[in-house]
Amino acid sequence: RKEVEQDPGPFNVPEGATVAFNCTYSNSASQSFFWYRQDCRKEPKLLMSVYSSGNEDGRFTAQLNRASQYISLLIRDSKLSDSATYLCVVNTNAGKSTFGDGTTLTVKP
Amino acid sequence: NAGVTQTPKFQVLKTGQSMTLQCAQDMNHNSMYWYRQDPGMGLRLIYYSASEGTTDKGEVPNGYNVSRLNKREFSLRLESAAPSQTSVYFCASSESRGDQPQHFGDGTRLSIL
Repeated sequence: RKEVEQDPGPFNVPEGATVAFNCTYSNSASQSFFWYRQDCRKEPKLLMSVYSSGNEDGRFTAQLNRASQYISLLIRDSKLSDSATYLCVVNTNAGKSTFGDGTTLTVKP
Repeated sequence: NAGVTQTPKFQVLKTGQSMTLQCAQDMNHNSMYWYRQDPGMGLRLIYYSASEGTTDKGEVPNGYNVSRLNKREFSLRLESAAPSQTSVYFCASSESRGDQPQHFGDGTRLSIL
């Protein structure tokens, strides 16, 4: 079993839709959590950190559920430009990072 | 604001040739990483350096060597390239603290014939 698991998708949604991705992790010592975005053949870029109380950045909302060991990313009012692969990342306090393999989103007109 | 800079951006090698991929960061980060990403796959950690003077193996270290030249620079060497090493290579850096994210360079696309 992988330490960090994501549904690979693809998720195909129309413009304006709301879409949510989950990411589960197995290491209970995990302390910090992030969502990255990766466009085709480009480098991963930090989208947002995930805080314990949940956090929002515009159309994007991140949630953490420590009891069930998962994080989620909600995208509201999807745009064509949101089409990408979304990676979740889990860090331990010692600085070890584990990347999920990503969930692919395609937003269609 | 350069961030993480990788050179070269593209390279084609013949089987058996050697090559060094260069990575430099200007964010004064302690930790640096090398990943490979094959088409349609996730990132796999090759080697990392938690601080200047230290290096450790990641998930897929075979066929590679690294050097943490100083705090800024972390190079990856292929001593005898093989077609299975055809991939996109990403360098990243971060603060040592676990609550900080990694920042990536824009990658080196390497093809081995």
